[in-house]
Amino acid sequence: DTGVSQNPRHKITKRGQNVTFRCDPISEHNRLYWYRQTLGQGPEFLTYFQNEAQLEKSRLLSDRFSAERPKGSFSTLEIQRTEQGDSAMYLCASSFSSPSTDTQYFGPGTRLTVL
Amino acid sequence: AQSVTQLDSQVPVFEEAPVELRCNYSSSVSVYLFWYVQYPNQGLQLLLKYLSGSTLVKGINGFEAEFNKSQTSFHLRKPSVHISDTAEYFCAVIMIKAAGNKLTFGGGTRVLVKP
Repeated sequence: DTGVSQNPRHKITKRGQNVTFRCDPISEHNRLYWYRQTLGQGPEFLTYFQNEAQLEKSRLLSDRFSAERPKGSFSTLEIQRTEQGDSAMYLCASSFSSPSTDTQYFGPGTRLTVL
Repeated sequence: AQSVTQLDSQVPVFEEAPVELRCNYSSSVSVYLFWYVQYPNQGLQLLLKYLSGSTLVKGINGFEAEFNKSQTSFHLRKPSVHISDTAEYFCAVIMIKAAGNKLTFGGGTRVLVKP
């Protein structure tokens, strides 16, 4: 069990550029979540997948954001036409769904800085 | 809708002294409760969780928390802190039976342990 991994760990980009982040969950986990954390705040939910299906998206996820999990394994989060307000830590978490609840395990995050 | 309030944004504490981090939540339905810790430039690590049963929950690194349903609180405690406990701590909830089990986080409490 290597845990949840995220790449890259840091990304600096200029306003207007597109960026893509990758998340590799724990191998047997069927749920994958994306959260965003701005400086001094708690993480906020963006979206989640059960296997390859994207089942919920937050209102925070504008049209410039898109997430995929094509084969139910790794996931990508793309931000098009980045804005300075997109600067944040993007966290990925995975879990194995159960009838009661599931514990989410977080990756180290990707810190995005938009200049 | 649910919300989580962490009443203290920063808590300075001397090494080997006890610490308590306060968390209150608001929800129209029953919730599961979690505490996560975040070390600088890292993702979140689960400290402990309350799903059901005994209201006193023990977690890793000597932390424990007590669920109080009447006061809608889930305060975190440690009887004797170490320098290595310097980190940010997040309280979070999941609404029971809500689709997806997304976490709603509080704003975090930064603990600074002084020698």
